Amino acid sequence: DSGVTQTPKHLITATGQRVTLRCSPRSGDLSVYWYQQSLDQGLQFLIQYYNGEERAKGNILERFSAQQFPDLHSELNLSSLELGDSALYFCASSVEEGDEQYFGPGTRLTVT
Amino acid sequence: LAKTTQPISMDSYEGQEVNITCSHNNIATNDYITWYQQFPSQGPRFIIQGYKTKVTNEVASLFIPADRKSSTLSLPRVSLSDTAVYYCLVSGGYQKVTFGTGTKLQVIP
Repeated sequence: DSGVTQTPKHLITATGQRVTLRCSPRSGDLSVYWYQQSLDQGLQFLIQYYNGEERAKGNILERFSAQQFPDLHSELNLSSLELGDSALYFCASSVEEGDEQYFGPGTRLTVT
Repeated sequence: LAKTTQPISMDSYEGQEVNITCSHNNIATNDYITWYQQFPSQGPRFIIQGYKTKVTNEVASLFIPADRKSSTLSLPRVSLSDTAVYYCLVSGGYQKVTFGTGTKLQVIP
């Protein structure tokens, strides 16, 4: 158990819909990262927050957005969902930027 | 932004030492090198991190030459449970994070 929690574990939804994935970092970690992993693919970095501020952006689609709240939990919002958005979405946290990251169990999103 | 290159796959017999090398030619001065292990449908797990020379912990060693343009993860006496994908990551502070495609290690009985 890494100490990072993600909810929900599984999500099945239809194309065109909007979903929100939630992540609670380890206690004391200020940095949160979001990744997307499609079937048999590597990890694609989406976005990083540090203490509530956006710090780095990867190949995140405009249909996707995220935020980190004052209590340091983070949410990833995915809208106008397409079949290709089906993937595992991981959240990770670290104490400081550049430190080792601790990953949550992921949310498996299936778009039908 | 440092890009990493690793072998796509490797096979090893149980009990052997496995060395996985990662190239990162444009590593920056403030970058650290971190290795992660990932099992199917699970989040990656931190293995080891280093900046230069050699780092060892209870599960692996990390060798980094003086020019830091590559690094080698060494797994001593692998077992079947070490079958996984191993990712090398180079990052430091405020910058976009990039995981490479990883190395799929298959341990054979």
